[in-house]
Amino acid sequence: ETGVTQTPRHLVMGMTNKKSLKCEQHLGHNAMYWYKQSAKKPLELMFVYSLEERVENNSVPSRFSPECPNSSHLFLHLHTLQPEDSALYLCASSQEGAATNEKLFFGSGTQLSVL
Amino acid sequence: AQTVTQSQPEMSVQEAETVTLSCTYDTSESDYYLFWYKQPPSRQMILVIRQEAYKQQNATENRFSVNFQKAAKSFSLKISDSQLGDAAMYFCAYRSRGSGTYKYIFGTGTRLKVLA
Repeated sequence: ETGVTQTPRHLVMGMTNKKSLKCEQHLGHNAMYWYKQSAKKPLELMFVYSLEERVENNSVPSRFSPECPNSSHLFLHLHTLQPEDSALYLCASSQEGAATNEKLFFGSGTQLSVL
Repeated sequence: AQTVTQSQPEMSVQEAETVTLSCTYDTSESDYYLFWYKQPPSRQMILVIRQEAYKQQNATENRFSVNFQKAAKSFSLKISDSQLGDAAMYFCAYRSRGSGTYKYIFGTGTRLKVLA
């Protein structure tokens, strides 16, 4: 039990489909993140929510739409994706403001394949 | 902008031996955090060790220790008595210290193989 749960674990979708990735954290953290992990590239920060407010949006295409209904849940809505969007999508959470113990806790990711 | 560089795409170590993974970073800031994360085949990134830049003492966690050279902007990870379960991708990461900063910057990773 890691405290951050992502579903689904694997997702295959066509370019015209609409799907959503879900993340839930059970750690009582106040910040949640979406990262994209592609082979041989650094992790790319996509979005950050702090207390349900989006605080980072790293020039991500509009075909990715995040949603944070409360501090425990984070979604990534996907539509009209491109094959180059195929990657591992990682969710993370952290407790910010503690001043001494900021660190990321990750889920196991959703492996996305766009056909 | 800050950058993190891991120049070793892949490393191998014999079981029970010691291995050192390299990481360098670039920043103009004086106060920050550095991390090593491990990503096994299960894909979940797990924190291995964390270093606060203002602390001169190198962090240690059981068989894992770091060599933090602030002036050289170097942050290497030493794994002692390597075990088969240590086989994974290892990522070095940087994060500014201070409220309102949420960017953890990662390197490209080093794949560690442990040979029996």
